[in-house]
Amino acid sequence: SQKIEQNSEALNIQEGKTATLTCNYTNYSPAYLQWYRQDPGRGPVFLLLIRENEKEKRKERLKVTFDTTLKQSLFHITASQPADSATYLCARGSSASKIIFGSGTRLSIRP
Amino acid sequence: GAGVSQSPSNKVTEKGKDVELRCDPISGHTALYWYRQRLGQGLEFLIYFQGNSAPDKSGLPSDRFSAERTGESVSTLTIQRTQQEDSAVYLCASSGGTGEARGNQPQHFGDGTRLSIL
Repeated sequence: SQKIEQNSEALNIQEGKTATLTCNYTNYSPAYLQWYRQDPGRGPVFLLLIRENEKEKRKERLKVTFDTTLKQSLFHITASQPADSATYLCARGSSASKIIFGSGTRLSIRP
Repeated sequence: GAGVSQSPSNKVTEKGKDVELRCDPISGHTALYWYRQRLGQGLEFLIYFQGNSAPDKSGLPSDRFSAERTGESVSTLTIQRTQQEDSAVYLCASSGGTGEARGNQPQHFGDGTRLSIL
């Protein structure tokens, strides 16, 4: 089956450091990867999308990479802040398939 | 409002009852998705609507689950003869993408309906 896995259930880091979250996929290369943020009791909020022909995408303190050789996407938050604490979800899609979400990584930034 | 709206926000019901959940997508969005999220877990795809095309029902877990959408407006998800295992948050999302490009369209989510089956 086609899977997408976020191999860290939880990540705790010190404020000001860079948080790096990992998303791995199996069996085929998705055309797109998306990253979302989800706060408790709320729906996910879209952050970034990266296409398979893009190596890197940035938005303010966020950076996403897509490595089709390693079958992996990395999501970085630089200069992390306690307000960045949330669950981050990656999702894979292609032009025809339904979008599949990973189970998420719960990020905690301690002051 | 400009976002996706879901109602009710919370629903508590007895096992065996039917429930109906509602989603109002963003105006003009052609695609609409339903997901289920169990506590501490990721999103489980249920069903996808795109305009007037036949919906993709491949994620519905059993025939107790059904969903409808008229055109590009409101959608309802119905669960018949609810079971305790149906307890979860049900999320709806809409996007502006067409069927050929849905993988690259950001999804806009509502805050979900928290369903509890006693």
